Amino acid sequence: NAGVTQTPKFRILKIGQSMTLQCTQDMNHNYMYWYRQDPGMGLKLIYYSVGAGITDKGEVPNGYNVSRSTTEDFPLRLELAAPSQTSVYFCASSYMWGAGEKLFFGSGTQLSVL
Amino acid sequence: GIQVEQSPPDLILQEGANSTLRCNFSDSVNNLQWFHQNPWGQLINLFYIPSGTKQNGRLSATTVATERYSLLYISSSQTTDSGVYFCAVRTGNTPLVFGKGTRLSVIA
Repeated sequence: NAGVTQTPKFRILKIGQSMTLQCTQDMNHNYMYWYRQDPGMGLKLIYYSVGAGITDKGEVPNGYNVSRSTTEDFPLRLELAAPSQTSVYFCASSYMWGAGEKLFFGSGTQLSVL
Repeated sequence: GIQVEQSPPDLILQEGANSTLRCNFSDSVNNLQWFHQNPWGQLINLFYIPSGTKQNGRLSATTVATERYSLLYISSSQTTDSGVYFCAVRTGNTPLVFGKGTRLSVIA
């Protein structure tokens, strides 16, 4: 089992460019999440999905879009990148929701917008 | 929404020392997890502990749900324990909310 795999690990974007952060998991988890981590802060939820075809906004969704066409994949799209989106992005998955849920994280994508 | 406060924000220990990290939360929870983020950024789930006490080697955790706090104990600390420790909680049907973390540095 590879677990949760994120690509790329590092990326530098120019202001106004777009990109997609890839996330895939091989644990057959229904629930997937995108978080961002800014220096000295905890993780803030961007978007989450409770299954293929279903997504919902988290705490900080502005400037991002997601899709969930398969159980395995949950890509995060940045449109018109801004310096405020410089952060480390983590994808996570879990096999259940609520009590008993345990999160499994990918290794992160460090994104700089210059 | 629920508030999560972790203390202390930073902690420096000599190797071999013990430490206690605290997580306070503002509402009743049905899920509480502790995570360790190592210096390379990897996040590892340490404990799922919405109530009670659990132990895993030199680490143990206790959650007193009625008083809305959880404690993470690290005994005989090692340099490999360095990193950031996060507490995350869930109330009702909302997604997990993370605290800002405690940054631990263990010095040889």
